Amino acid sequence: GQQLNQSPQSMFIQEGEDVSMNCTSSSIFNTWLWYKQDPGEGPVLLIALYKAGELTSNGRLTAQFGITRKDSFLNISASIPSDVGIYFCAGQLPILYGGSQGNLIFGKGTKLSVKP
Amino acid sequence: EAQVTQNPRYLITVTGKKLTVTCSQNMNHEYMSWYRQDPGLGLRQIYYSMNVEVTDKGDVPEGYKVSRKEKRNFPLILESPSPNQTSLYFCASSFRGARGYTFGSGTRLTVV
Repeated sequence: GQQLNQSPQSMFIQEGEDVSMNCTSSSIFNTWLWYKQDPGEGPVLLIALYKAGELTSNGRLTAQFGITRKDSFLNISASIPSDVGIYFCAGQLPILYGGSQGNLIFGKGTKLSVKP
Repeated sequence: EAQVTQNPRYLITVTGKKLTVTCSQNMNHEYMSWYRQDPGLGLRQIYYSMNVEVTDKGDVPEGYKVSRKEKRNFPLILESPSPNQTSLYFCASSFRGARGYTFGSGTRLTVV
């Protein structure tokens, strides 16, 4: 099936640092979503993007829907310890490309940890 | 409280013994879905449902069955579990398609 390439796979943060991660695909998507998963819990939706070029913020988080519709990025500014977790991008393919309303494809995740 | 409830949270079973993982949502959502999460592979969609009696395969449907007889419930059935189905399973629901699934807390399944 369709894959989303998410990078980096993992990263270490120090409190106060800005963090960036991104997601790319070989196909266009008509929706990009970013989720965060804490240990022992299900993913929680952070930001949803519905239009190419759209830039949306949620507190210290900012995400963009790439102009080509094949990528998206998530930035976290001034990171704090509770930002630690796994971040997933997810996308919905257009119906013309084999997608459907219920079919949401996930990347493999970016694991954020605290620098020792 | 609006939520997706999965049961059980943990399950250890033996190969070939049929099992069902239940999922219920109290948000009157039309869409429901099952995912499995494996290390290094992220979340992969097993099945999804767009409404009562309407289901469709996701990316990894082999070895699983689902049913949607009522809007609130979407059980996942493993007729003959095998060790490669050992995984963390998540149920999710949404009011409008895949735009923002709300996930349950997960079911950790071990098949020995």
